Amino acid sequence: EVQLLESGGDLVQPGGSLRLSCAASGFTFNSYGMSWVRQAPGKGLEWVSSISRGGDTTYYADSVKGRFTLSRDNSKNTLYLQMNSLRVEDTALYYCAKKTVPGAISASDFWGQGTMVTVSS
Amino acid sequence: DIQMTQSPSSLSASVGDRVTITCRASQGISNYLAWYQQKPGNVPKLLIYAASTLQSGVPSRFSGSGSGTDFTLTISSLQPEDVATYYCQKYNSAPWTFGQGTKVEIK
Repeated sequence: EVQLLESGGDLVQPGGSLRLSCAASGFTFNSYGMSWVRQAPGKGLEWVSSISRGGDTTYYADSVKGRFTLSRDNSKNTLYLQMNSLRVEDTALYYCAKKTVPGAISASDFWGQGTMVTVSS
Repeated sequence: DIQMTQSPSSLSASVGDRVTITCRASQGISNYLAWYQQKPGNVPKLLIYAASTLQSGVPSRFSGSGSGTDFTLTISSLQPEDVATYYCQKYNSAPWTFGQGTKVEIK
């Protein structure tokens, strides 16, 4: 059974940093691209970042480019999102999501339960 | 960047009604379009990918169509358990933009 377990969400002051983790199990982690998607309270889904299965290629939304860094450790089946220079508008539930098809352009078929990031003074 | 525009933003229909949601891309994306369902308080669930391919386990009353810039999600006979917000997403290239969502309620 595919499982994605996010952690690391917290209350942080503007300008602060957090590192989110997503522990994956139930599938061959190093075969799939992965993504982070966030949802601000009461709002829609916003794609944040994606990474290739080998970790050599990353993509970022303009809203987080230069502040967030996505990486993965395939030996630990874990995805990481380093979030720096956090802003109030980064407040959201952050979901980790698995791509549907190995090594290809695809949608996301499994999502974690999310971890909440709150940026406030 | 390509923008994804859904319509309507919300709708109310009766049980058994046929419901149609549209998603328009500002540029062509071939068939790299997915639909997700998010029930209140729940995680998004993949319904359809490649514009018209039903994800395993999704009821057959859901269907998708379209290619290029115009796409449609259809619920052939609305059920109470279909109350949710539905999102389209392009995935041909970054950024993997979502539409703003369509909230479906029962009349």
